[in-house]
Amino acid sequence: DTAVSQTPKYLVTQMGNDKSIKCEQNLGHDTMYWYKQDSKKFLKIMFSYNNKELIINETVPNRFSPKSPDKAHLNLHINSLELGDSAVYFCASSPREKREYPEQYFGPGTRLTVT
Amino acid sequence: GENVEQHPSTLSVQEGDSAVIKCTYSDSASNYFPWYKQELGKRPQLIIDIRSNVGEKKDQRIAVTLNKTAKHFSLHITETQPEDSAVYFCAASGVYSGGGADGLTFGKGTHLIIQP
Repeated sequence: DTAVSQTPKYLVTQMGNDKSIKCEQNLGHDTMYWYKQDSKKFLKIMFSYNNKELIINETVPNRFSPKSPDKAHLNLHINSLELGDSAVYFCASSPREKREYPEQYFGPGTRLTVT
Repeated sequence: GENVEQHPSTLSVQEGDSAVIKCTYSDSASNYFPWYKQELGKRPQLIIDIRSNVGEKKDQRIAVTLNKTAKHFSLHITETQPEDSAVYFCAASGVYSGGGADGLTFGKGTHLIIQP
């Protein structure tokens, strides 16, 4: 009964390819996020989704696009992959609209390696 | 936007001693300050959080303090154990005003090493 799950766990691909990472949460949370953790372990938010609406879109390349088919899923699509996209991508979820100080729970991460 | 500074980047302490990690934030509107522990190859795990209407919070060997005037907050771990070795991240989040969402702004992390 994993709370926040991601697939795949590892993703190795070549430059120029298009790939997707899937995220699912079974916590009934209303808000989901994508974070990128680079090689120096720095965690930076990329996107958040609330009720199927993109609320935050940080200064990430438009090659990255989040897609949410329903409240429990937030997938990350990446087009024309570049070497600099290599990182660990974490999905997270939060009951943001239900609580004033909502915790965020992270998925296990997807290690993306672009060769 | 929010900016969170975290120090030190690496902290080595003897087993049984205390460890303190400090963070400062820039946005006075931030009101939620969680701390995450990340072991090698694992996800960040929430270990404790503090809200802006509270000055201190304790949970067994872990405590967090918040000084809103100075815009800094700290993590204190007492009686450190080998399993405390990990990277610790502080974070800050803004006021939720409804109808939207915002994410966490993280510090750059502290690698805590517990020496046996």
